[in-house]
Amino acid sequence: DAKTTQPPSMDCAEGRAANLPCNHSTISGNEYVYWYRQIHSQGPQYIIHGLKNNETNEMASLIITEDRKSSTLILPHATLRDTAVYYCIVRVAYSSGTYKYIFGTGTRLKVLA
Amino acid sequence: GAGVSQSPSNKVTEKGKDVELRCDPISGHTALYWYRQRLGQGLEFLIYFQGNSAPDKSGLPSDRFSAERTGESVSTLTIQRTQQEDSAVYLCASSEGTRSRYEQYFGPGTRLTVT
Repeated sequence: DAKTTQPPSMDCAEGRAANLPCNHSTISGNEYVYWYRQIHSQGPQYIIHGLKNNETNEMASLIITEDRKSSTLILPHATLRDTAVYYCIVRVAYSSGTYKYIFGTGTRLKVLA
Repeated sequence: GAGVSQSPSNKVTEKGKDVELRCDPISGHTALYWYRQRLGQGLEFLIYFQGNSAPDKSGLPSDRFSAERTGESVSTLTIQRTQQEDSAVYLCASSEGTRSRYEQYFGPGTRLTVT
């Protein structure tokens, strides 16, 4: 199964871009990368996902390297409310048609005033 | 509209007892997921349902764990003969379908403490 590796923690100044890296060097060609975040004591919240191409939505951008072995989540203008644990996740699909989501250990992002 | 709800929010049980955790997904969501999150750790994928069917049960930690879903709605996760290592937050999520484009909506979780 593909696994993800993330730095345990990062700080970012309020108003600056937060760039959160994720390594998924064993990812297979049909496995999607997802990002969720978890604010203390709440359930995780979806941010963005992608397969090969870079993606952007109202929350963030996802940059996936050409070899798909790593990706970066970008929060363009971090606010204090973005302080959370950010999880990089791979959706592993099996030939049986089943699948599972493999969560990384997460990066604890602290946005500083 | 209503989000995913889980009950109870907290459960303290003695070692060896059975517990049932309940998840009410968003109405109309055909896919439902269960995860376990131990203190300070990431989420561990346990099982998913497409409709009332669970195609792959290999993620359940042991044969003491079982899950079912009825009416393409409520799901229960049952842990028999609980052990202290079962202590964790159990999270449920639902999505419109199982295709990759569907995001999961998570409930608040059930915090299980086995004493």
